[in-house]
Amino acid sequence: QQQVKQSPQSLIVQKGGISIINCAYENTAFDYFPWYQQFPGKGPALLIAIRPDVSEKKEGRFTISFNKSAKQFSLHIMDSQPGDSATYFCAASTRGSEKLVFGKGTKLTVNP
Amino acid sequence: GAVVSQHPSWVICKSGTSVKIECRSLDFQATTMFWYRQFPKQSLMLMATSNEGSKATYEQGVEKDKFLINHASLTLSTLTVTSAHPEDSSFYICSANPSGPYNEQFFGPGTRLTVL
Repeated sequence: QQQVKQSPQSLIVQKGGISIINCAYENTAFDYFPWYQQFPGKGPALLIAIRPDVSEKKEGRFTISFNKSAKQFSLHIMDSQPGDSATYFCAASTRGSEKLVFGKGTKLTVNP
Repeated sequence: GAVVSQHPSWVICKSGTSVKIECRSLDFQATTMFWYRQFPKQSLMLMATSNEGSKATYEQGVEKDKFLINHASLTLSTLTVTSAHPEDSSFYICSANPSGPYNEQFFGPGTRLTVL
């Protein structure tokens, strides 16, 4: 059973556009939602994370929007650049759990 | 901060041999480290949770006698793939948790294992 559903599987955006990746979850005990960025042949890098006491968190061009009632959270990349082309994974975990539950990933391609 | 290293970055070995992969947290202590396996174009699959000074906890379906994990210090965990076979070829990634209240995991750069 996949606990975090991520969409779309792939996304193509023009340079300067907005990239939006969505994740949905069922487990209401989740209370930590990170996003990871992974380039080919590299390990994932923590990009930004949110906790359910806020509805939005922004760091530079990256924003997480969180909708607790809908059990959804999304990553918005503003002014997308070719260097943002990578695979993005959403994840979730519960307080006290050591494990992260990952989505299946979204391959983002930003065309110049 | 929060840098995790892995060594080697890639390794090629013959079938039947054993391979050891090291994972180090460079600027923090980690009581818990994790080992993942990733197949091409797929998500990360958690293999085991490694706790300093105690036995690792393996996920269902992961052979603990084949994938030996040792977490001897607060900055080092090792994964040994014993009697490797071609089907063990994969990208192995470790992560470490700086022991905050949330599961903030920082990943290493990964190790590409190819078994001939």
